[in-house]
Amino acid sequence: DARVTQTPRHKVTEMGQEVTMRCQPILGHNTVFWYRQTMMQGLELLAYFRNRAPLDDSGMPKDRFSAEMPDATLATLKIQPSEPRDSAVYFCASGLGITGFSEKLFFGSGTQLSVL
Amino acid sequence: EDQVTQSPEALRLQEGESSSLNCSYTVSGLRGLFWYRQDPGKGPEFLFTLYSAGEEKEKERLKATLTKKESFLHITAPKPEDSATYLCAVQARADYGQNFVFGPGTRLSVLP
Repeated sequence: DARVTQTPRHKVTEMGQEVTMRCQPILGHNTVFWYRQTMMQGLELLAYFRNRAPLDDSGMPKDRFSAEMPDATLATLKIQPSEPRDSAVYFCASGLGITGFSEKLFFGSGTQLSVL
Repeated sequence: EDQVTQSPEALRLQEGESSSLNCSYTVSGLRGLFWYRQDPGKGPEFLFTLYSAGEEKEKERLKATLTKKESFLHITAPKPEDSATYLCAVQARADYGQNFVFGPGTRLSVLP
């Protein structure tokens, strides 16, 4: 079965360290989303790509977060420097947008990030 | 601003006890309403998309319905394996950023 692959599954780091999360979207999907999930805020959109171009990163703290798609098979989310408030589960999702909208999203299993 | 609320926050049912979950939304022109299921330690899994008021979709023991202000997820004769968090999300017609706005979810527990 095709699925979205995220690495690492768990990451524990100290405040101030750089964190890189990776995502391999489903082959053929042209939209990639990064979401953050916490108990307090639920699922929040951080960034969105269409055909590898960043279209919306308004939900991302620009001073410390960055998202890129070096190629169609890899999306990355970096946090530098990391802070304890960044502790959350980070999900990558991909979809196929034909009419301009993604009909549905396929989520990875997430990266559980703990910043001490 | 597009908003999604869900109720109840948590629901505990006995096996076979049917019930409904509610998703209320405010959106500037609905393009689609989505239901997802999320198991602990996993990402959300797609269940249904509804596009217009009056539409209904069914899958096994689940049926989703849509009105102009809310959606219901009806669970008929649930089984313990239906235990999960159910998330509702909306996508606005005018949202060229294609953001899916998610609700906080309803945590469902089905006891044997």
